[in-house]
Amino acid sequence: AQRVTQPEKLLSVFKGAPVELKCNYSYSGSPELFWYVQYSRQRLQLLLRHISRESIKGFTADLNKGETSFHLKKPFAQEEDSAMYYCALSRYGSGNTGKLIFGQGTTLQVKP
Amino acid sequence: GAVVSQHPSWVICKSGTSVKIECRSLDFQATTMFWYRQFPKQSLMLMATSNEGSKATYEQGVEKDKFLINHASLTLSTLTVTSAHPEDSSFYICSATGLAGPSYEQYFGPGTRLTVT
Repeated sequence: AQRVTQPEKLLSVFKGAPVELKCNYSYSGSPELFWYVQYSRQRLQLLLRHISRESIKGFTADLNKGETSFHLKKPFAQEEDSAMYYCALSRYGSGNTGKLIFGQGTTLQVKP
Repeated sequence: GAVVSQHPSWVICKSGTSVKIECRSLDFQATTMFWYRQFPKQSLMLMATSNEGSKATYEQGVEKDKFLINHASLTLSTLTVTSAHPEDSSFYICSATGLAGPSYEQYFGPGTRLTVT
């Protein structure tokens, strides 16, 4: 079965501290992984996707197929990073219907 | 970037009535639109996938006769909650993917808050 697990509902850190939001997945095929972010009173938006291998707003995420993980990391958290973060999975490549399976979400709270 | 709008942003209706929610892609053609439901402090649950000009594909457990989806054009999909009940109260979010931007990137609408009294 396809599943995305975010074990932490809430992650609270101080400004300047490192952040790691955990995401594990189970999928029998070749997955495409995403991180979406939802700031307060705003719509869901794409933060990054594993195939892009880029850093957005200082965040990076590496797909580890051995551990079936796609953790989101940032070395120094900023207050404006406070938001809800969702890890999501889709089928990669041909036959991709675009369907996303979302994890439960993690609220990141960055304290001053 | 690609923009998706939803209308209305919030609606209150009486039990037994029907409510229509619109999802529009404003600056791109959406070959596929998705409808999600989100309960308070919970994740998004995919309800159905809607392709322009064809019948929607519903996820397991979603009543197709209760949640009618129409995707009549490349820029508009509608979700109609028929004979609404209080348990249908939720936040409904649509997303769209299409010919603009990286393939299969989904662009999300702002959501519609439905309250059934």
